[in-house]
Amino acid sequence: QQQVKQSPQSLIVQKGGISIINCAYENTAFDYFPWYQQFPGKGPALLIAIRPDVSEKKEGRFTISFNKSAKQFSLHIMDSQPGDSATYFCAASRGQGTYKYIFGTGTRLKVLA
Amino acid sequence: ETGVTQTPRHLVMGMTNKKSLKCEQHLGHNAMYWYKQSAKKPLELMFVYNFKEQTENNSVPSRFSPECPNSSHLFLHLHTLQPEDSALYLCASSQEWAGLGEKLFFGSGTQLSVL
Repeated sequence: QQQVKQSPQSLIVQKGGISIINCAYENTAFDYFPWYQQFPGKGPALLIAIRPDVSEKKEGRFTISFNKSAKQFSLHIMDSQPGDSATYFCAASRGQGTYKYIFGTGTRLKVLA
Repeated sequence: ETGVTQTPRHLVMGMTNKKSLKCEQHLGHNAMYWYKQSAKKPLELMFVYNFKEQTENNSVPSRFSPECPNSSHLFLHLHTLQPEDSALYLCASSQEWAGLGEKLFFGSGTQLSVL
């Protein structure tokens, strides 16, 4: 029940295309869902996050879609660029003051020029 | 310069060696973390320190020993490791009471190889 399942494991997209990464969770107590982006040789960095009181959040070319009833959320990268090539991790956490993030297994995205 | 600095970047050690990983954060945060990152696995939380006190030990083997002398520094002491301990070890920090959802700031990690 503590898992966050992420798919696909890897993704190849043409420049200008849409990249979509999906995550699913079981624990309905989760109330914060961030996405982290990790470039080779670097640690993950927060990209965008959503709380379950909204169904969508957009920041530039990055959008999180959230489906509370299905317990699923996804990251959409519009107009994907070669600079977006990185590994993306979804995560979930529960409550203020908690220190536990449950991470997905990651998606390695490659955007072809 | 990143707000969270980890040294060394790479470490190769034998199974009988003793080594330490170091992490320093310049962000004024109160919580610090050690994560283990292995290929095709979720990031695995190992330890959490809040105001220098250990608040989480995620069933980590005793061959990993954390130390947090102050809110800015975190160490991971390693001894008699196994080859399966080879991984990227990430340090992170967060402001404890940042509201719902504490943003984690990660260092670049130490790539550890155990021979």
